[in-house]
Amino acid sequence: NAGVTQTPKFQVLKTGQSMTLQCAQDMNHNSMYWYRQDPGMGLRLIYYSASEGTTDKGEVPNGYNVSRLNKREFSLRLESAAPSQTSVYFCASSVLGGEGEQFFGPGTRLTVL
Amino acid sequence: SQQGEEDPQALSIQEGENATMNCSYKTSINNLQWYRQNSGRGLVHLILIRSNEREKHSGRLRVTLDTSKKSSSLLITASRAADTASYFCATDRDSSYKLIFGSGTRLLVRP
Repeated sequence: NAGVTQTPKFQVLKTGQSMTLQCAQDMNHNSMYWYRQDPGMGLRLIYYSASEGTTDKGEVPNGYNVSRLNKREFSLRLESAAPSQTSVYFCASSVLGGEGEQFFGPGTRLTVL
Repeated sequence: SQQGEEDPQALSIQEGENATMNCSYKTSINNLQWYRQNSGRGLVHLILIRSNEREKHSGRLRVTLDTSKKSSSLLITASRAADTASYFCATDRDSSYKLIFGSGTRLLVRP
């Protein structure tokens, strides 16, 4: 039982490049989330998926797209990376949306030059 | 925008002492959660308290919630060096799926 897994762990991009961050959970959770964490700050919600087949914007969605591929997988895409997107990205999942605890992956540290 | 704000931003205590962190929020909530983050790691859920609860315990953790003051506190008793981490409160709003996190309290427990 791996919980929430994220790939890659580290990534360096040049401005304008694109990439996809992958997230998978094996807990049969309905809801999945993507957050970013900037130095010395809490997490900010980028996008979430309340259930398979649905996605919605969070606080800071600009510059990102998401795909809920199936119940297990939720990917985050940066179409044209910018230095302002340098951050640590966390994926999370939960059974009951905001009603219950969220389980977090280990994070992806992204640097955009 | 941050819904929850933790206070203090940083706290340094001796092993064995108690650590208290506070969280204030702005809008009505269904529940409030506390998470711990060790350096460079993902967040780990500690405890959830619902809006109709005033106090909750889990091991060495005690959480209180005062909805009239829109505030919560997390008390860690008999702290250990392994408790060194950042602690975040998180609130939901209006039965939404969104959790709003505060900026965290960095706790250092000195051996």
